[in-house]
Amino acid sequence: AQSVTQLDSHVSVSEGTPVLLRCNYSSSYSPSLFWYVQHPNKGLQLLLKYTSAATLVKGINGFEAEFKKSETSFHLTKPSAHMSDAAEYFCVVSAINNAGNMLTFGGGTRLMVKP
Amino acid sequence: NAGVTQTPKFRVLKTGQSMTLLCAQDMNHEYMYWYRQDPGMGLRLIHYSVGEGTTAKGEVPDGYNVSRLKKQNFLLGLESAAPSQTSVYFCASSYQRGRVEKLFFGSGTQLSVL
Repeated sequence: AQSVTQLDSHVSVSEGTPVLLRCNYSSSYSPSLFWYVQHPNKGLQLLLKYTSAATLVKGINGFEAEFKKSETSFHLTKPSAHMSDAAEYFCVVSAINNAGNMLTFGGGTRLMVKP
Repeated sequence: NAGVTQTPKFRVLKTGQSMTLLCAQDMNHEYMYWYRQDPGMGLRLIHYSVGEGTTAKGEVPDGYNVSRLKKQNFLLGLESAAPSQTSVYFCASSYQRGRVEKLFFGSGTQLSVL
């Protein structure tokens, strides 16, 4: 079994300040991990992915995430928030088990950016 | 290159009515998925398909049926809609067999059941 917990349902930051969106996972198998972003009334777009290569993963729009196996975490960060970053973010774990490939989504974190 | 296209974008149904949501992808992807998105619950997998003519149940399949008669199309059916099926529905597709590396999403269908 696998699960994903996004520790904050809402995060509010001021423009120009750092962003931290937290994600913890559990998986019985060697997982791949993803962050997706969803802007209002749009589908989900891949931000970045971890697939057992480098533990620090760089994505689009200045975002990055670090895979920490000992902490079972995959937190998303950005040094300086921009107004256009306001969106909902989903952490996703992907693993293969006897039933095939399984994707599990976290509950989402809504990021608000104040001017 | 349209990617993943969902129709319709919005729909309002009365309890007991039926409808079909259409998903089409032009990327020659093997895998296709239907998810529903509800506040605070992320996306939950309804059904998926690993190839033409095949379908499988996901996490929340009850009340839904699917068909994959053509590789590029994945249909989601509601035979008798219920208010609990009010949600935003997303279709997605992916290329790789085995471990999925990236999903491509449609823009969603907002369904209200009264």
